[in-house]
Amino acid sequence: GAVVSQHPSWVICKSGTSVKIECRSLDFQATTMFWYRQFPKQSLMLMATSNEGSKATYEQGVEKDKFLINHASLTLSTLTVTSAHPEDSSFYICSAREPGTSVDNEQFFGPGTRLTVL
Amino acid sequence: AQTVTQSQPEMSVQEAETVTLSCTYDTSESDYYLFWYKQPPSRQMILVIRQEAYKQQNATENRFSVNFQKAAKSFSLKISDSQLGDAAMYFCAYRRPGGGADGLTFGKGTHLIIQP
Repeated sequence: GAVVSQHPSWVICKSGTSVKIECRSLDFQATTMFWYRQFPKQSLMLMATSNEGSKATYEQGVEKDKFLINHASLTLSTLTVTSAHPEDSSFYICSAREPGTSVDNEQFFGPGTRLTVL
Repeated sequence: AQTVTQSQPEMSVQEAETVTLSCTYDTSESDYYLFWYKQPPSRQMILVIRQEAYKQQNATENRFSVNFQKAAKSFSLKISDSQLGDAAMYFCAYRRPGGGADGLTFGKGTHLIIQP
């Protein structure tokens, strides 16, 4: 099956710094990737849709200047949390779809990145 | 906007028994996809089963099956012969059609406990 990786798996940073999280599709090309956020013991909330070669589409209430998304290639999307604050601490999960296949409607999830802002 | 509701924060079942997790959703679309995902303590999201709304037949994957009631907008998950490895958070999710360009809308989840 399709594999999606994320790096790093856990990051701790100081308040005010920026953190970049990478999402890679390892064995397929993903024209679309998605970024979700999950608070402890809560559900996943879609933050944005990342399209290769174009601007990301952000969900209502998500600050696009705070959460910068870049999808520069068909196998890599990055999420940069700028000027991070403790309230940005969360679990960030990406997913990717493999277009034009029998599982076109399925999203494959990365293992997630735990961000802790001190 | 679409919403997904899981009314059972936690469910407990004896090993080898059957358990049903509830999910309802709200949409004005006639065609869409529904999913059940499992999230174990590792937090890796694992697809359990999916259902296309235009298909009347309920999806089945080994011990997992769904009861899809389109008119009632209900999509419950039945787990038969429960195993200790089934213990996890289970999320019901909705996606609009359209080539997969839409992200998923998740319910709040049900924590499934398996009693040995």
